[in-house]
Amino acid sequence: QSVLTQPPSASGTPGQRVIISCSGSSSNIGNNPINWYQQLPGTAPKLLIYNNNQRPSGVPDRFSVSKSGTSASLAISGLQSEDEADYYCAGWDDSRNGRVFGGGTKLTVL
Amino acid sequence: QVLLQESGPGLVKPSGTLSLTCAVSGDSISGRNWWSWVRQPPGQGLEWIGEISHDGSTNDNPSLKSRVTMSIDKSRNQFSLKLRSVTAADTAVYYCARVTLAGPPLDYWGQGTLVTVSS
Repeated sequence: QSVLTQPPSASGTPGQRVIISCSGSSSNIGNNPINWYQQLPGTAPKLLIYNNNQRPSGVPDRFSVSKSGTSASLAISGLQSEDEADYYCAGWDDSRNGRVFGGGTKLTVL
Repeated sequence: QVLLQESGPGLVKPSGTLSLTCAVSGDSISGRNWWSWVRQPPGQGLEWIGEISHDGSTNDNPSLKSRVTMSIDKSRNQFSLKLRSVTAADTAVYYCARVTLAGPPLDYWGQGTLVTVSS
């Protein structure tokens, strides 16, 4: 059971906007920045968004994050076939004094 | 460019100790960053194991019940993980990654190495 809760799957067609949710608590999302990782099949995770809404160099602005209270959402607009991957939310948890991940959401581009 | 590369035995016997090393290039392990371990059981999600700083300070996942030891080797610019008393549940792809101080967490990752616990 992951500390952060994500839906196990999401899907969309090319060009659509897809939203992936991440729910936590006051000891993690509610009090610390949220980060998102993208994991393409057979590869290591890649940092997608950090500090709530910062994109590393090379990450397109089709990826954005919103956060409210103890929940956050990753939005992917203009969905492309290469976006098909697993997406993980993550952050620091004060009560555990450590990093926590969501269970991951498998995004399928139909 | 920062590169991380995990190495170690791919097979460990139950009750034994899993030992991995992460070699870092393109950044100094003696700097202000932290260095982390994350694992992923086959077909499952990511689990943070712990991380270590340049001065040897550590944070680790309490769910691993103190089976974890991490260390750094500044002369070789690498850091290591030991996980004791392993069981089949510890079978996973193990990743090392960098955590920048006051910056992007887990911004550079190794390619991962599969460790199987089996007799």
